Amino acid sequence: GDSVTQMEGPVTLSEEAFLTINCTYTATGYPSLFWYVQYPGEGLQLLLKATKADDKGSNKGFEATYRKETTSFHLEKGSVQVSDSAVYFCALNTDKLIFGTGTRLQVFP
Amino acid sequence: GAGVSQSPSNKVTEKGKDVELRCDPISGHTALYWYRQSLGQGLEFLIYFQGNSAPDKSGLPSDRFSAERTGGSVSTLTIQRTQQEDSAVYLCASSTSGGDTEAFFGQGTRLTVV
Repeated sequence: GDSVTQMEGPVTLSEEAFLTINCTYTATGYPSLFWYVQYPGEGLQLLLKATKADDKGSNKGFEATYRKETTSFHLEKGSVQVSDSAVYFCALNTDKLIFGTGTRLQVFP
Repeated sequence: GAGVSQSPSNKVTEKGKDVELRCDPISGHTALYWYRQSLGQGLEFLIYFQGNSAPDKSGLPSDRFSAERTGGSVSTLTIQRTQQEDSAVYLCASSTSGGDTEAFFGQGTRLTVV
């Protein structure tokens, strides 16, 4: 069945560092791809999405590009802030929404 | 309501008891999901309702778990004969139809089985 694999955390960075969180997927069809974020004490919310190959989703300085050839949707940000500390979930939807295991990001001043 | 509402927010139950968790989705959303979030285990898919179609139950971990959705709106997740390994946060999400649409999550029900 469809699945998502993302890098294990925690990822620990200093403020203003570059962030990459890897995500790869396995799907039988042509999924839409998502990154969701869960800030401490809050519910999950959509961060960005891409619905077809080569699309780039972006929001709040984060970006991810739908790479069909490598079945990847890596999340990047050029300069992280303390306020970006959260758990990030990669997800796909072919016929239902499936999530990866989540990656905890900790940013220190 | 304005968002997805789940109740109760916390539930402590004794091993072997049955529990019911409720989800009120956003009005007009045809898709409804249940997930389980355990420490270090990410978001585990449980069940998916889409409109009047038969639900996708492929994620339910055992026959002790069941869910229904009445009138295309409110959903109830029932766990019978609870076990300690059922302790987790149970999340509900809803969305409009279509695989590229955003899912909106409730705050979850934290279930503790003692």
